Amino acid sequence: GQQLNQSPQSMFIQEGEDVSMNCTSSSIFNTWLWYKQDPGEGPVLLIALYKAGELTSNGRLTAQFGTTRKDSFLNISASIPSDVGIYFCAVRLSGTYKYIFGTGTRLKVLA
Amino acid sequence: KAGVTQTPRYLIKTRGQQVTLSCSPISGHRSVSWYQQTPGQGLQFLFEYFSETQRNKGNFPGRFSGRQFSNSRSEMNVSTLELGDSALYLCASSLAGAYSETQYFGPGTRLLVL
Repeated sequence: GQQLNQSPQSMFIQEGEDVSMNCTSSSIFNTWLWYKQDPGEGPVLLIALYKAGELTSNGRLTAQFGTTRKDSFLNISASIPSDVGIYFCAVRLSGTYKYIFGTGTRLKVLA
Repeated sequence: KAGVTQTPRYLIKTRGQQVTLSCSPISGHRSVSWYQQTPGQGLQFLFEYFSETQRNKGNFPGRFSGRQFSNSRSEMNVSTLELGDSALYLCASSLAGAYSETQYFGPGTRLLVL
């Protein structure tokens, strides 16, 4: 079935550092989403991308929709301790209300 | 405005039993989706409901079923529980289920099957 591969699986970074993670697929998708999940909570939408090549920012977060429509990346600048959590990419299957989520990147920030 | 609420938050069942989970969407939201989250398989789509109709279904066996009521509240039922059904079950709601809408997730129901 369709799968989204996220890398890295996990990362430790120092507070203040920039973080980059990506998400790739073997299929083309027209909607790419990035979510963050904190322990004991459901995922929260960070950024939504609807156009190939689109670069969108939300505060310290920047995400890009790859031009091939098979990948996306998320950057976090100047990380802070509350950035800790699991980051998921997700895509919507065209013509449906069905979403596929990536395997997740677990981020740990060292103060 | 209250967020998505799910009840119960935690549940322990034994193999062979059945379970019903409840989701109350954000007021005014009419679309509700259900997901199963496990360490091994990640977040997987179960089904989506809008105006009491199931519009999409994921690749889960028929033991997993759901329904939506006229007030948009939704329930998910799992019959003949198996150990592998232990997971965090999340529901998400959106206003009208349009493709570009934001889905808001609840905190989930953690199910443990013994």
